[in-house]
Amino acid sequence: GAGVSQSPSNKVTEKGKDVELRCDPISGHTALYWYRQSLGQGLEFLIYFQGNSAPDKSGLPSDRFSAERTGGSVSTLTIQRTQQEDSAVYLCASSLRPVLLAGGADTQYFGPGTRLTVL
Amino acid sequence: TQLLEQSPQFLSIQEGENLTVYCNSSSVFSSLQWYRQEPGEGPVLLVTVVTGGEVKKLKRLTFQFGDARKDSSLHITAAQPGDTGLYLCAGARSGTYKYIFGTGTRLKVLA
Repeated sequence: GAGVSQSPSNKVTEKGKDVELRCDPISGHTALYWYRQSLGQGLEFLIYFQGNSAPDKSGLPSDRFSAERTGGSVSTLTIQRTQQEDSAVYLCASSLRPVLLAGGADTQYFGPGTRLTVL
Repeated sequence: TQLLEQSPQFLSIQEGENLTVYCNSSSVFSSLQWYRQEPGEGPVLLVTVVTGGEVKKLKRLTFQFGDARKDSSLHITAAQPGDTGLYLCAGARSGTYKYIFGTGTRLKVLA
């Protein structure tokens, strides 16, 4: 496909379980971002990848959150020991160039998100 | 600390009316973007402004970046039901990798 895809689209889990969320960016996009959105509000930055490295992990809310990117393409966001406050829509976006190089002018293409519900 | 505040948070208007959404900050941004998001989907980029004082038009939508690059506005003329959605501004700051998103404005245009 031509766009950013995310899976699963919906995930319901019990408190304390681990979850993995997947993002397939647009082919050739070097920059990849993860965001969290609660209740239709603004987006909260989680982590940024440039290639396979993550120069900015400053948005990860706790050490229960981790992310990796392999082959400069697919990324997974893992949440361990999920809590109810982790319930949100997790959005992934990719862009051709990172913000720093593009001066913030490059287009981020977003996936449809994964809606996570922790019971 | 929320660096980008949007106002109003909610707006419900009749078809044909005009409206303005504001995005304000005390910080300077190297560029600012506006997105629209519909339920169940990711945000879609509408415009990017990079120069202080810049004005861009996209059909009935007019975007302005403040002279000091700390604020922006989105004006919609003759709103239509298809304009309904969540409008988000996002700023990029020099020397950082991330976009800071605003608090969002939920617009509903009634037919």
